[in-house]
Amino acid sequence: DAGITQSPRYKITETGRQVTLMCHQTWSHSYMFWYRQDLGHGLRLIYYSAAADITDKGEVPDGYVVSRSKTENFPLTLESATRSQTSVYFCASSGGDLRGEQYFGPGTRLTVT
Amino acid sequence: TQLLEQSPQFLSIQEGENLTVYCNSSSVFSSLQWYRQEPGEGPVLLVTVVTGGEVKKLKRLTFQFGDARKDSSLHITAAQPGDTGLYLCAGVPDYKLSFGAGTTVTVRA
Repeated sequence: DAGITQSPRYKITETGRQVTLMCHQTWSHSYMFWYRQDLGHGLRLIYYSAAADITDKGEVPDGYVVSRSKTENFPLTLESATRSQTSVYFCASSGGDLRGEQYFGPGTRLTVT
Repeated sequence: TQLLEQSPQFLSIQEGENLTVYCNSSSVFSSLQWYRQEPGEGPVLLVTVVTGGEVKKLKRLTFQFGDARKDSSLHITAAQPGDTGLYLCAGVPDYKLSFGAGTTVTVRA
């Protein structure tokens, strides 16, 4: 089906492990985003990408790495997971610009033990 | 400190009642968006307001953008259980979208 998908939907990992969250969209949208959602903080931007091979930091980038070799994929890697990275992670895409409507994936619930 | 402050944080009402959610900031926004997020899903855009003083209606939902473009409100008339969810406002103070913390609305049948 067309749209934006995230995998896995749920992940439990241990402190210090590397983990990669996947995001795939079928609209060929230029912009893609990674957010984390924590109670009381709303959605906070981790990284975003304007096109393949173009990425930039958001509000809370420390401890995360992104890449975008293809327009449709935007993986997020936690290089050495910490308990503070326990959160729900949302990927989004936009066909406009940084200010336009964003289409969100269903989220990945990550628990770091 | 949130750039966009939403109030109240939680709201629980009976079916058929009205409710208003507020989104305030000290910054001026070129536009404001409202999203609704249901449990286990990502946010979905409801509306975008772009002009100061603008009022938009979406069935029983009325969205208003403040004259100074620093605040917005969402009013739901005769709320239904299907309106239950997290309501998020989002605006662009500089060049990127910034989200408020959200208001969790629960409509009891």
